[in-house]
Amino acid sequence: AQKVTQAQTEISVVEKEDVTLDCVYETRDTTYYLFWYKQPPSGELVFLIRRNSFDEQNEISGRYSWNFQKSTSSFNFTITASQVVDSAVYFCALEVYNQGGKLIFGQGTELSVKP
Amino acid sequence: EAEVAQSPRYKITEKSQAVAFWCDPISGHATLYWYRQILGQGPELLVQFQDESVVDDSQLPKDRFSAERLKGVDSTLKIQPAELGDSAMYLCASSLAGLAVRELFFGEGSRLTVL
Repeated sequence: AQKVTQAQTEISVVEKEDVTLDCVYETRDTTYYLFWYKQPPSGELVFLIRRNSFDEQNEISGRYSWNFQKSTSSFNFTITASQVVDSAVYFCALEVYNQGGKLIFGQGTELSVKP
Repeated sequence: EAEVAQSPRYKITEKSQAVAFWCDPISGHATLYWYRQILGQGPELLVQFQDESVVDDSQLPKDRFSAERLKGVDSTLKIQPAELGDSAMYLCASSLAGLAVRELFFGEGSRLTVL
């Protein structure tokens, strides 16, 4: 069975601090994809990143970076120099290859960035 | 920018009443998904359509929930009768068909409160 665990329910930081959101996944499949989505108060899920299981290179996009480690089944997300606009709920998700878009989501981490 | 449209944004209903949600996907997206997100949890797939056909409804409580996508474009999700436990956000998403891994575009959701 597939499962995604986000152990941090809520995180609160002060603006300009760095923050890391943890994600641990479980799957027996060798081909899978990992995602991060952002859910602002308005409700829609905003796509941030997709990684496949064969590419363990870390990725950086502006203030966002992602660390994928198959050895520990983790796909962690770091925001550098956080801003108030980063306040949202962040979801990590897993899709097994050829399951047609069925995403298994974690429970989410609510990030609050205070000025 | 193209968006997934959902209505209503908010719905309050009493237990045992019928309720319906509507979704209009991004034009040209053959795949449509309905997810349910209970407060404090990640979204869970209820039903997936490829054009007008259901490809996955394994998590849809079929005794009270129904979904249709008659012309392969917009879709309706119905609950009859509503129960207290149905209070949740109902998210619609769409994606292009033909890809093994698909980027899902989510609407803003329909928040249901059952009293």
